[in-house]
Amino acid sequence: DIVMTQTPLSLSVTPGQPASISCKSSQSLLHSNGRTSLFWFLQKAGQSPQLLISEVSNRLSGVPDRFSGSGSGTDFTLKISRVEAEDVGIYYCMQNIQLPTFGQGTKLEIK
Amino acid sequence: EVQLVESGGGLVQPGGSLRLSCAASGFTFSSSWMSWVRQAPGKGLEWVANINQDGSGEYYPDSVKGRFTISRDNAKNSLFLQMNSLRAEDTAVYYCVSGITHWGQGTLVTVSS
Repeated sequence: DIVMTQTPLSLSVTPGQPASISCKSSQSLLHSNGRTSLFWFLQKAGQSPQLLISEVSNRLSGVPDRFSGSGSGTDFTLKISRVEAEDVGIYYCMQNIQLPTFGQGTKLEIK
Repeated sequence: EVQLVESGGGLVQPGGSLRLSCAASGFTFSSSWMSWVRQAPGKGLEWVANINQDGSGEYYPDSVKGRFTISRDNAKNSLFLQMNSLRAEDTAVYYCVSGITHWGQGTLVTVSS
């Protein structure tokens, strides 16, 4: 199984400041087709997870442009350029190049 | 609008069985990979099964292999999860997921005596 490791596990950020979450996979997530199977989800309190970013860096429709994803191979990063109160929740990375696995989650709170 | 509505959760004794259902609408169900993902209370996300578009391929992690069976009825836009030999550690909210984009609200399964 591919192990996904997120850091940090918790993050406290002042509104308007940036935030960054790292996700490392135990194996490369690069397909032979050139696409990379790394996704970012946000789960707000009491809600189902929502997909924010697909294939490393593609923001879904409606996701604010303050969210960005980057990385390649085994190292990936989710960045929020200016955190807002509505960004609070738990962020998960996920791979599905093999049987899907998730990172442990990173809890973002506002200072 | 895509809708995924899970049902069938509840309280079951260890060793018991439960069948979850997911009613899908608002998209072409027969063209979508479908999955079940669970979340134990206060814990992270764990994928437990997925199935390809025509139901000919099913995949499971070792934690549920041999105990859980995913199936689908494309004529009725429905997804199922048959869970047998349930254990306390199977206690979780179970989400129905279309592709990876659309998630239901989840149904709670509690395994306890």
